[in-house]
This record gives sequence, structure tokens and C-alpha cells, in this order.
Amino acid sequence: DAKTTQPTSMDCAEGRAANLPCNHSTISGNEYVYWYRQIHSQGPQYIIHGLKNNETNEMASLIITEDRKSSTLILPHATLRDTAVYYCIVRVAIIGGGADGLTFGKGTHLIIQP
Amino acid sequence: NAGVTQTPKFQVLKTGQSMTLQCAQDMNHEYMSWYRQDPGMGLRLIHYSVGAGITDQGEVPNGYNVSRSTTEDFPLRLLSAAPSQTSVYFCASSYSGLGQGHGYTFGSGTRLTVV
Repeated sequence: DAKTTQPTSMDCAEGRAANLPCNHSTISGNEYVYWYRQIHSQGPQYIIHGLKNNETNEMASLIITEDRKSSTLILPHATLRDTAVYYCIVRVAIIGGGADGLTFGKGTHLIIQP
Repeated sequence: NAGVTQTPKFQVLKTGQSMTLQCAQDMNHEYMSWYRQDPGMGLRLIHYSVGAGITDQGEVPNGYNVSRSTTEDFPLRLLSAAPSQTSVYFCASSYSGLGQGHGYTFGSGTRLTVV
């Protein structure tokens, strides 16, 4: 799986858009970009994933650059409950095809300020 | 629909004791896995299963056993607990195969302390 680089921490004002960057310059053509978050003491929560097109769901938007070497997770209207560690993970989408699971780095600690 | 249920939520063991962490899912997911998370660290994969009767090792399998006799359950056994196994354990499940798009569903964790 490709390695990812994320800032250690970020602040964002409540009600503003939170933009979390992720660098994955060694991504392969068959690897997807996944975002998870972990609110304190809870299990990780799936947010969104994409291959090369921008994606949007009820939680967030994912913007992937044309060369796929970086991406940005956007929380459009951050609330205090969005304070969490956000993990950017790059991996193939096929489960059970060898070395498996999600490789979690240290992620970005996003703090939403009131 | 409960999702992924882990029991117990908290456990204290003495060194050398054995125990089983339970994980059950009601989403008919083929894939299940166990992770551990140490303070200030990301999650590390212990064991995983792509279906009933099939298990394999992850990144940190030593000291742990698993079995998968049913689709719903994937217990994690600590054979002889050691202080180094003090951690938070998460179970996760997912549909398997390309393009399912559902991501992994995680349980709420078991906080284990070995003294």
C-alpha cells in the first residue's frame, strides 16, 4: 500500500469548512484513497473513499488531484463533534488478496474551535 | 441492526491468564479483522478472516489466536496474557470484493489491561 503523509494537527473554527490534506505521491493506479476518523475512545468511522473522481456524501467531500498524488477531505460546515483524528489511507479495494487490512498512520488531529 | 458488537468493553487480566475477546456482526459481512491500538498510535492489524473457516495473520499476530466457525463471529484469544498486550482492541468487518464501497465497520473496542 502507498504511504501517506498528513499534518499532525489542524484547527478549524466551528461552522467553517475544514480542509484536511493528504499526500500520497507513490499511489498506484489500482489504489483507492480512503478516509476514516476516530473520535476519542471510539472505533474508527468510515467517511468516504475515491479512486480518481471527486466524491461527495452526506459527511464530506473528497477532492483528488488529477495526478492522484494528493487529496483533500472537506468537511463543509465543521461542528464541535467533528473534533477527531482523521486518517487518510491508500490501498487496493480488493479484500483478501494477500497482505490485508487498513494501514493506519498517526493521522491528523482536527480540533474544531468554538 | 447492531453493526459490530464487541464484548467485554473493559477487562483486567493478570499476566499468564487467558481470555477471549468476542466480536459479532449482523451485517452478513464476509470479511472480519482484529486490530490493536496502543496509546498515541494508529491501529495495527492482528488477524483477519475473509470468510468462515479462513483466517490469516496480520502485522502483529504473535500471542493471539483466532477462528471463524460462523460468518457472524470472530473471537480473538489471548493464550497467555502479557503486559505488552495492554491495548485497545477493535474488531472490524466489511463486505469483500472490489467496488463494494461500504468501507469497514468498526466495533466500539475492548480496553484490556494486563497487570
